[in-house]
Amino acid sequence: NAGVTQTPKFRVLKTGQSMTLLCAQDMNHEYMYWYRQDPGMGLRLIHYSVGEGTTAKGEVPDGYNVSRLKKQNFLLGLESAAPSQTSVYFCASSYSYQGEQYFGPGTRLTVT
Amino acid sequence: GEDVEQSLFLSVREGDSSVINCTYTDSSSTYLYWYKQEPGAGLQLLTYIFSNMDMKQDQRLTVLLNKKDKHLSLRIADTQTGDSAIYFCAGYILTGGGNKLTFGTGTQLKVEL
Repeated sequence: NAGVTQTPKFRVLKTGQSMTLLCAQDMNHEYMYWYRQDPGMGLRLIHYSVGEGTTAKGEVPDGYNVSRLKKQNFLLGLESAAPSQTSVYFCASSYSYQGEQYFGPGTRLTVT
Repeated sequence: GEDVEQSLFLSVREGDSSVINCTYTDSSSTYLYWYKQEPGAGLQLLTYIFSNMDMKQDQRLTVLLNKKDKHLSLRIADTQTGDSAIYFCAGYILTGGGNKLTFGTGTQLKVEL
């Protein structure tokens, strides 16, 4: 039981490049979330999903897209990376609404 | 102000008690949470309190909730060097974007020998 895993762990992109971050969970959770963490700002919700095939915008969705084609996977895409997207990205999942969220180890992304 | 506020830093000596405070603007949370983040790692749920409780004790951890003042605190007794981390309070807050789990800015706890 791996919990929540994220790939890759680190990535450096140039401005304008694209990439996809993968989140996988093996706990059969319905809810999945993508957050970004910036110094002094805590975690901010980018997008979330309440089940397979559904996605919704969070607090800071601009510049990101997501997909939840399979229940266990939640993908976060950056179509044209910008330096403002330099951050640490965390994926989380939960069994139910307002349930405990389990977090992945994070992906550190630098955009130059 | 922010929906959930915490002080940024706290420094204590090993063996002393640590108290980390959190205030929030509004909450529809059934639970309020404390997460711990060690360097280079994700967040891990440390403890939580049901919203109709005012205190919960879990070994060295004591959570106090004052709903009237919208104040949550985490007390760590006999603080150890291994407790050095960033601590986040979180709750489901009614924001302009709906009802979302909202995190405080995090309090970095440094434990000195």
